[in-house]
This record gives sequence, structure tokens and C-alpha cells, in this order.
Amino acid sequence: AQSVTQLDSQVPVFEEAPVELRCNYSSSVSVYLFWYVQYPNQGLQLLLKYLSGSTLVKGINGFEAEFNKSQTSFHMRKPSVHISDTAEYFCAVSGNQFYFGTGTSLTVIP
Amino acid sequence: KAGVTQTPRYLIKTRGQQVTLSCSPISGHRSVSWYQQTPGQGLQFLFEYFSETQRNKGNFPGRFSGRQFSNSRSEMNVSTLELGDSALYLCASSHLQGAGANVLTFGAGSRLTVL
Repeated sequence: AQSVTQLDSQVPVFEEAPVELRCNYSSSVSVYLFWYVQYPNQGLQLLLKYLSGSTLVKGINGFEAEFNKSQTSFHMRKPSVHISDTAEYFCAVSGNQFYFGTGTSLTVIP
Repeated sequence: KAGVTQTPRYLIKTRGQQVTLSCSPISGHRSVSWYQQTPGQGLQFLFEYFSETQRNKGNFPGRFSGRQFSNSRSEMNVSTLELGDSALYLCASSHLQGAGANVLTFGAGSRLTVL
């Protein structure tokens, strides 16, 4: 069985500060991992994905994530956040279907 | 090219009624998946259609059903609505069937409120 746990439901951070959104997964098969962002009244948009190869993956909007197999984690970071990064972020693992975490609400404080 | 289009965007129904939601995928995408999003539960997989056939189904009661047409457009139906069915219903399309390394493109969703 596969599952995703997002360790923080809400993350407040000041503008221009760094942020890390944490994601742990469980999977008994090959791992494909994703981060999506959802802005208010919109669907989900893909930020980045890990399929294979380098464990450090770079996405859009300055986000990057590191796949750690031994710790079964896929934490995502951004060195300096902007007000426009305020949104809901979802981590997902795929196998026979996609399994999404319950989301992390990132609030950037001016 | 146009994205994934979901209609209607908002709707209000009462308990016991039924509802039909529509999803038009990205041109060329043959897979359409449906998800239910509620606060605290995140996204729950409903079902996936590929080439007009249901390929996978989540753990939802039989009141939730769907179909896909020859042009890849999909509809989902919820019968005998309950208060707990209030949610944002998201449709996602992809080029390939199934999950794996597939990449989903989501629509903006249909927000259903059941009174």
C-alpha cells in the first residue's frame, strides 16, 4: 500500500525567508513523487516531480525537492518566499493510482 | 492549447437530488481521473477512465459513477446526494493511462454544496 504524510498542515513564514515543506511517503513499489500547488479557486498545478536519477529535483517558481530513499522523504524547499507563494501545497506518490497528502497551507507574511 | 475544463464551477443541491459534472480534457489526452477534495481529507481518488473504459476505481459507494465519451470528455454522477458529498470535485487529464510516472493536469474543479 502507498500513502503520503505531510507533516505540517500550516506553515507561516515571513516574506523573503526560506521555507521547507515536509513530506514522507510509504511505498512497496517503484517510487514516483510529485509536488503540486493549489491557489484559491483553482485546480492543482505541478511544481516538480521525481521519477528517477538525481535525488535533487528543481521545479518551477524556484522550488526544489530532495528525494531521500532511506528516510522515505521528499521535502521541498525554497530559499526566499514571496507573497505570491501563499497557497496550498500537496505532495503525492503514484503507483497504481495517485495518493495525495492532506496538504500544507503556506502563508507568506509581509 | 486549452487546459482542462470543468463545468459547472459552482452548484448547490439538496439532499436526495442527483448531480452530473462534466470534464473536457486537454486535446489529445485520453485519460481522465476524478478526485474529491474536502478539508482535512485532501484529495481522494474516485475513478479513472481511459478510452471510454473505467480502468481504476477508488473506495467510494456506488452512488458515485462516471463515464467517458469517444471524444475523451467525461462526466461523473452522484445520486441521492448526502451532506457529506459537499466538496470540490477535481478532474485531471493525462496522456497515459494509470499513475506511475504519469503527469496529471487538473481542471479548476466543480464546487458542490449539498444543503
